Amino acid sequence: KAGVTQTPRYLIKTRGQQVTLSCSPISGHRSVSWYQQTPGQGLQFLFEYFSETQRNKGNFPGRFSGRQFSNSRSEMNVSTLELGDSALYLCASSLGQVGYEQYFGPGTRLTVT
Amino acid sequence: AQKVTQAQTEISVVEKEDVTLDCVYETRDTTYYLFWYKQPPSGELVFLIRRNSFDEQNEISGRYSWNFQKSTSSFNFTITASQVVDSAVYFCALSGVYNQGGKLIFGQGTELSVKP
Repeated sequence: KAGVTQTPRYLIKTRGQQVTLSCSPISGHRSVSWYQQTPGQGLQFLFEYFSETQRNKGNFPGRFSGRQFSNSRSEMNVSTLELGDSALYLCASSLGQVGYEQYFGPGTRLTVT
Repeated sequence: AQKVTQAQTEISVVEKEDVTLDCVYETRDTTYYLFWYKQPPSGELVFLIRRNSFDEQNEISGRYSWNFQKSTSSFNFTITASQVVDSAVYFCALSGVYNQGGKLIFGQGTELSVKP
């Protein structure tokens, strides 16, 4: 089975721009979660989608949003980028919501200048 | 509130030494799940193990073993006869059940360096 894929792998954006990151889960997985990883804050949960519905949201401003499509693929969007949004954004998929192990993609490295 | 603490920021050992990575967690849930992940220099998080709160049996998988103790809220990870390929950042994570969905709460990670 193919693993979780994320595109693009690297991205450089300017402050004020917006960005869309894409995630394709493992086939058959219906839950997709997003995490932000930075040296200072570590791994922080952004949101989780299951059956096209956002089920859980982390403590991030409204500039961070996402969605999930009927084929379980997911996108996250960050509007009005700030320097502090520079991070590794990781997508993870799992069979279900509660208690299932999550399998992570390689991440998208976003640099905001 | 839920929290995971990995007090060891960095550990350096010489190949073939045994090493234990500590993980302490806090939760008010009676049902919860604990995980360990490995993040090698390539950056991708690799799932190692999942444990639910009702299963306190220790687990061994090759050179890896895990010790789960509810009495001390700890879920420690031991690598026996470490190898250079074990060099990575290791994360312990917690997932509650009620109103948490699939949210994983991670510790800050322990960077393990295994020198030849």
